[in-house]
Amino acid sequence: EIVLTQSPATLSLSPGERATLSCRASQSVGRYLAWYQQKPGQAPRLLIYDASNRATGIPARFSGSGSGADFTLTISSLEPEDFAVYYCQHRSSWPLTFGGGTKVEV
Amino acid sequence: EVELLQSGGGVVQPGGSLRLSCAASGFSFSGYDTSWVRQAPGKGLEWVAALSASGTGTTYADSVKDRFTVSRDNSKNTLYLQMDSLRADDTAVYYCAKAKPYWYFDLWGRGTLVTVSS
Repeated sequence: EIVLTQSPATLSLSPGERATLSCRASQSVGRYLAWYQQKPGQAPRLLIYDASNRATGIPARFSGSGSGADFTLTISSLEPEDFAVYYCQHRSSWPLTFGGGTKVEV
Repeated sequence: EVELLQSGGGVVQPGGSLRLSCAASGFSFSGYDTSWVRQAPGKGLEWVAALSASGTGTTYADSVKDRFTVSRDNSKNTLYLQMDSLRADDTAVYYCAKAKPYWYFDLWGRGTLVTVSS
């Protein structure tokens, strides 16, 4: 099983600041990595797939990069609605796994 | 409207069974792979089971293998999760999800809470 480790667990920032979230895999997943956003009481929302492709309707301030075992989600300038928990997920092999999440808080 | 409408959660005793349903609308359900993902209270996301578009290919997390069964009825645009031999650590919000090719999830249900408790 591929373990995804996200860091930091919590990121304390202000609106307008840049957020950089990390996801590290226990072995290479190629570029088969996605990022999701989850707000309290809501289902996750797909942001990025295949490491760097924005999903439909996702604002350009969200970008993804990386390959192999190290990936980054960057939010260029935080909007009030971006404060949430972010998860990475790989599809490189079974079982699919998610990272433990990074909470972006004010 | 494109959506997944979930039903079937509730409280069940340890060792009991429950069936979750997920009704799709607004898209060609039979053309997409699907999965179930759960989230224990206050915890992260855990993938549970996957089912191919045709319904012939299934994969399960080790934690639910031989206890849970995923199925679909494409004529009814509905996905199911039959959960047997439930344990306390199965307590979670269960989400159904549609897989954007391949095995990334671009449409989610709202989730349904399953509580396993005596």
